[in-house]
Amino acid sequence: SQQGEEDPQALSIQEGENATMNCSYKTSINNLQWYRQNSGRGLVHLILIRSNEREKHSGRLRVTLDTSKKSSSLLITASRAADTASYFCATDVGGSNYKLTFGKGTLLTVNP
Amino acid sequence: GAVVSQHPSRVICKSGTSVKIECRSLDFQATTMFWYRQFPKQSLMLMATSNEGSKATYEQGVEKDKFLINHASLTLSTLTVTSAHPEDSSFYICSASPTSGRNYEQYFGPGTRLTVT
Repeated sequence: SQQGEEDPQALSIQEGENATMNCSYKTSINNLQWYRQNSGRGLVHLILIRSNEREKHSGRLRVTLDTSKKSSSLLITASRAADTASYFCATDVGGSNYKLTFGKGTLLTVNP
Repeated sequence: GAVVSQHPSRVICKSGTSVKIECRSLDFQATTMFWYRQFPKQSLMLMATSNEGSKATYEQGVEKDKFLINHASLTLSTLTVTSAHPEDSSFYICSASPTSGRNYEQYFGPGTRLTVT
């Protein structure tokens, strides 16, 4: 079953603008990860945030995690046309169960 | 590093035939590999967890006799779609978790587009 729900489902912005995507989940987690998928391709890992972390940065990416609200956000600053892709969050519950449960994804379109 | 390949990248087969998809970890050993299915504009759904040398663990609702998984070595897992039907047409993605890495690390293959006519 799907753990995460991303919103918005689709987002269209102009190059240079910031893009914010949100992800909510239902159960306690160990880690939350964000992935990017270009159309018809595999997944590229972007960033991982642990359950005891609140914010993480990587280049133009900023991820926040609010475990009390069971939600995370991914911010892409100064977006580029090449950022056009689907973005998914994925959670794991840790321990010996390391399955990833993916959210429904946000389709981001960055217009040049 | 941490490259995962899938073969073939695209396959078209006739209804009733079987198709085998390979997933290889090219530069690391993977005790555990995962198989996902993705319908157009939808998310990845985990089908099964494949452990080297043992039987795969299937998710609820996934028919193990239809989707045969073999993880014969630390670098290769195969998914065979048996007696394929048009509704099996989908994008199949595998991932591999490094034996020496953290449990939650998964590296994804580029996917295989299966079309059943």
